[in-house]
Amino acid sequence: GAVVSQHPSRVICKSGTSVKIECRSLDFQATTMFWYRQFPKQSLMLMATSNEGSKATYEQGVEKDKFLINHASLTLSTLTVTSAHPEDSSFYICSARAGGGETQYFGPGTRLLVL
Amino acid sequence: TQLLEQSPQFLSIQEGENLTVYCNSSSVFSSLQWYRQEPGEGPVLLVTVVTGGEVKKLKRLTFQFGDARKDSSLHITAAQPGDTGLYLCAGGQGYQKVTFGTGTKLQVIP
Repeated sequence: GAVVSQHPSRVICKSGTSVKIECRSLDFQATTMFWYRQFPKQSLMLMATSNEGSKATYEQGVEKDKFLINHASLTLSTLTVTSAHPEDSSFYICSARAGGGETQYFGPGTRLLVL
Repeated sequence: TQLLEQSPQFLSIQEGENLTVYCNSSSVFSSLQWYRQEPGEGPVLLVTVVTGGEVKKLKRLTFQFGDARKDSSLHITAAQPGDTGLYLCAGGQGYQKVTFGTGTKLQVIP
């Protein structure tokens, strides 16, 4: 149980284009989903917290107009990197938490490379 | 800002050796999780501890939550190459966001 998937696992795009990453909880309903960014050999940096049906809460320093988050259902959240630039290249990981629980379950991550 | 400091940051040991990773904070957490992450993959949950002083064992891994719920440790007995990875602790406070530790990169040499 508690499986979270991400799609795509890897994406390469040209500078200036937008990229959408999907995060799905496969066997439970996720009232809250989190989006993280991870640089090589470093820990996870929380970008934003999204609750189903409401606007995401962004961490300080994260541009909400650049990283659009939609949590339209209890099993799906999407992160759209708009007008991507090479500095946006990173490993993006989502996690999901069921209502009533504190534990987060992580997706396998999405490697984004912006050329 | 809540901080979870992990030590050591890097650890390279021979197969069969024992090791302990520490996770320390000045904040109190209602729960604490330990994750292991391999390159190019998402973190995988190892354990959740919620009670001060709690000890949990998972085969060769022993996890302890400090009495004051501000710190935790992970002890691995007879490390194996398959234990290699990035170990992350994460502290939760109710339904607020989880704070991740700085990470410990472990390499077990055959």
